[in-house]
Amino acid sequence: GENVEQHPSTLSVQEGDSAVIKCTYSDSASNYFPWYKQELGKRPQLIIDIRSNVGEKKDQRIAVTLNKTAKHFSLHITETQPEDSAVYFCAASITGGGNKLTFGTGTQLKVEL
Amino acid sequence: NAGVTQTPKFQVLKTGQSMTLQCAQDMNHEYMSWYRQDPGMGLRLIHYSVGAGITDQGEVPNGYNVSRSTTEDFPLRLLSAAPSQTSVYFCASSYQGASNQPQHFGDGTRLSIL
Repeated sequence: GENVEQHPSTLSVQEGDSAVIKCTYSDSASNYFPWYKQELGKRPQLIIDIRSNVGEKKDQRIAVTLNKTAKHFSLHITETQPEDSAVYFCAASITGGGNKLTFGTGTQLKVEL
Repeated sequence: NAGVTQTPKFQVLKTGQSMTLQCAQDMNHEYMSWYRQDPGMGLRLIHYSVGAGITDQGEVPNGYNVSRSTTEDFPLRLLSAAPSQTSVYFCASSYQGASNQPQHFGDGTRLSIL
């Protein structure tokens, strides 16, 4: 089955700096890659997703890039703010595979003032 | 719309007890799933359903049963609770289209097995 690795497990940045979280996947058939943000004690919330026919997608301060050849994708957060502090999860799934998501183990992002 | 609703929010059980975690969605989503979240391990898929009457196993199905008698409801049953099942359980739902659709999560059920 699919295996998703996520790095780093913790990330501390200064407010205003950029943050990058990287994930690799094992199944070349995976074609949908969402990113979720989870605040302490809350539900995971989708912040951005990308499909395999696109190399990059942006939404304000958040961007995701996908390299299908290398089987890795990354989340980029620019101009970080304290409210960006949370755990971020990447995931991968295959169309026709029942919409099943395989998650990475998460990155605890801390934005320091 | 309420979205995905999970009950209860918290539960403490003794080893060997059984219980049902409830999940309901009002978005007419075909796809529903259950995940468990343990520290340092992300979310792992327990069971999922692509429509009423259809269920299948995920990555960690042992010790859990599911059924899908209606589009709206997808309960998760713990048959004989074990301390290893102490976890936070999330239900999620989405449309089941030609391409994968974003999943919407409930608020979770925090379950402790003593």
